Amino acid sequence: GQNIDQPTEMTATEGAIVQINCTYQTSGFNGLFWYQQHAGEAPTFLSYNVLDGLEEKGRFSSFLSRSKGYSYLLLKELQMKDSASYLCAWLGGDTDKLIFGTGTRLQVFP
Amino acid sequence: GAGVSQSPRYKVAKRGQDVALRCDPISGHVSLFWYQQALGQGPEFLTYFQNEAQLDKSGLPSDRFFAERPEGSVSTLKIQRTQQEDSAVYLCASSKGLAGAAEQFFGPGTRLTVL
Repeated sequence: GQNIDQPTEMTATEGAIVQINCTYQTSGFNGLFWYQQHAGEAPTFLSYNVLDGLEEKGRFSSFLSRSKGYSYLLLKELQMKDSASYLCAWLGGDTDKLIFGTGTRLQVFP
Repeated sequence: GAGVSQSPRYKVAKRGQDVALRCDPISGHVSLFWYQQALGQGPEFLTYFQNEAQLDKSGLPSDRFFAERPEGSVSTLKIQRTQQEDSAVYLCASSKGLAGAAEQFFGPGTRLTVL
């Protein structure tokens, strides 16, 4: 079976750095996605990791360790608009379906 | 249009009523997915199409749920005899890829409320 865990809620201050962790126990692995979802809106793609290591894209970075079944999303120089839910999703099987975690709701305070 | 569109955006149904939710994927996208998202939860996979072929429907919660994509473009998710537990946001996503890791683009969702 598949199990993906991430914290339910996090808070941080504007300008700070926050790390959102995701652990997974799955049978098979074809990649790990991070999506951002503002309340009432569609999820939007942030990053995709298939090889171990860090992928950097502007203020956002994502890390993957396949051997540990672990990923994190790092957000730097936080802005108020970064307040959203961050969804960790595992790409599984041969049908490209994404298995999502419950999402981490991040609140950024001034 | 530039993105995935869904209609209606909001739907209120009385318990026992049938509903149909429409998804217009990005033009040329081969793969189409339906997800169900309950409040405060991540999306859960329902079904997957590659062109007009429904390759995976393992996530459909019951035989009251039916999806089709007859011409390999627009898709419809139909829920028969709706129940209160069907209340959720139904998200549609499309991607270019046939297989492998292709970014999925999500539509705005249809929020279904069953009274």
